[in-house]
Amino acid sequence: DIVVTQSPESLAVSLGERATINCKSSQSILYSSNYKNYLAWYQHKPGQPPKLLFYWASTRQSGVPDRFSGSGSGTDFTLTISSLQPEDVAVYYCHQYYTTPPSFGQGTRVEIK
Amino acid sequence: QVQLVQSGAEMRTPGSSVKVSCVTSGDTFSSYAINWVRQAPGQGLEWMGGIIPSPRITNYAQKFRGRVTTTADGSTNTVYLEVTNLGFEDTAIYYCARGESGYPMRGYFYAMDVWGQGTTVTVSS
Repeated sequence: DIVVTQSPESLAVSLGERATINCKSSQSILYSSNYKNYLAWYQHKPGQPPKLLFYWASTRQSGVPDRFSGSGSGTDFTLTISSLQPEDVAVYYCHQYYTTPPSFGQGTRVEIK
Repeated sequence: QVQLVQSGAEMRTPGSSVKVSCVTSGDTFSSYAINWVRQAPGQGLEWMGGIIPSPRITNYAQKFRGRVTTTADGSTNTVYLEVTNLGFEDTAIYYCARGESGYPMRGYFYAMDVWGQGTTVTVSS
């Protein structure tokens, strides 16, 4: 099975500053037949279900603010929040769906400094 | 607006079983896969298993094989998750979530765009 590792486990960022979360898979999740990276990002706040932010590593889900961006290919991926807002406090997860079963990273907690 | 509506909170004793339901729309049931994801207290998200209602393909994480079953009822557009032989460590919020499927090609269970509200299962003696 593919192991997905996120870093850091938590980070504290000042309002308006950049937050960067990394996700590394134990093997490439880029499918050569369609050149797509089988990776998604979610935002999870307490008391709510997770919310899909990106799929295919960098395709933004409808309604997600453009201060969020997803990038990377192969085994290394990044979620960036360009200007942190109070409502962005949450735990963020990456999720590889290249294999069946799929798997999540362990999560990164984002807080306000 | 697409919704997945889950059954209410459950309390069980160790060794017992629980069955959680997830009601979908007809379009979701026929065109998407349904995943089951849980979050134990203080822990991260964990993919448990999933079903592609048509053609009734299921898959489970290794950790849950033999103890977890997901089924689908086309007459009510409802998907079920049953967990048997419950332990204290199964105390968690259980979510159903919709996603597209790559079946039969690579990746049967894609990114999950619509989630149920969650069902809290508490295992206590």
